[in-house]
Amino acid sequence: SQTIHQWPATLVQPVGSPLSLECTVEGTSNPNLYWYRQAAGRGLQLLFYSVGIGQISSEVPQNLSASRPQDRQFILSSKKLLLSDSGFYLCAWGTGNAGNTIYFGEGSWLTVV
Amino acid sequence: DAKTTQPPSMDCAEGRAANLPCNHSTISGNEYVYWYRQIHSQGPQYIIHGLKNNETNEMASLIITEDRKSSTLILPHATLRDTAVYYCIVLPAGGTSYGKLTFGQGTILTVHP
Repeated sequence: SQTIHQWPATLVQPVGSPLSLECTVEGTSNPNLYWYRQAAGRGLQLLFYSVGIGQISSEVPQNLSASRPQDRQFILSSKKLLLSDSGFYLCAWGTGNAGNTIYFGEGSWLTVV
Repeated sequence: DAKTTQPPSMDCAEGRAANLPCNHSTISGNEYVYWYRQIHSQGPQYIIHGLKNNETNEMASLIITEDRKSSTLILPHATLRDTAVYYCIVLPAGGTSYGKLTFGQGTILTVHP
């Protein structure tokens, strides 16, 4: 069966410090991968998605970047964090085919202080 | 993408069926109805999805009206662990836009002892 993991689960970082959140998927090949941020009030915002190695699409301009160095690995990064980067970050995967499901990871809480 | 409308909150007694409604009157013929739920501080959990036929799995049943303008998620025997925010969303069929989920406010389901 397929599984998705992301880490770290919680992170407290000072303003201006770098960020790296990692996500891996097991049990499938060539998945579509997604990074979301969920703000207070439950809104879900798509940040990046990838349909293959090295292919990254950004949905919103921001202080973050994403990379996909391997088929089942997706990384969210920042060179210098801002206070506004605080939030709950979710990695997700799907096959990209109609009628198939998007599965989410456990989420990573980022607090920028 | 079709928008959805859900009641902001609902209560249910433990052991009873929980029926969560969702309106999606602008749904297109090739769009799927998905249900997710989210327990506080965790990633969203997939529950069930359907196109036009009623669906059932080990977690829930999904009833979609014949005109597809509304649906109902049924948790047949609610437990305290089913207390969560439930999201009804409509996804376009296929393509890279498929995973671009947008959660609305959802329905806060509280299951009481």
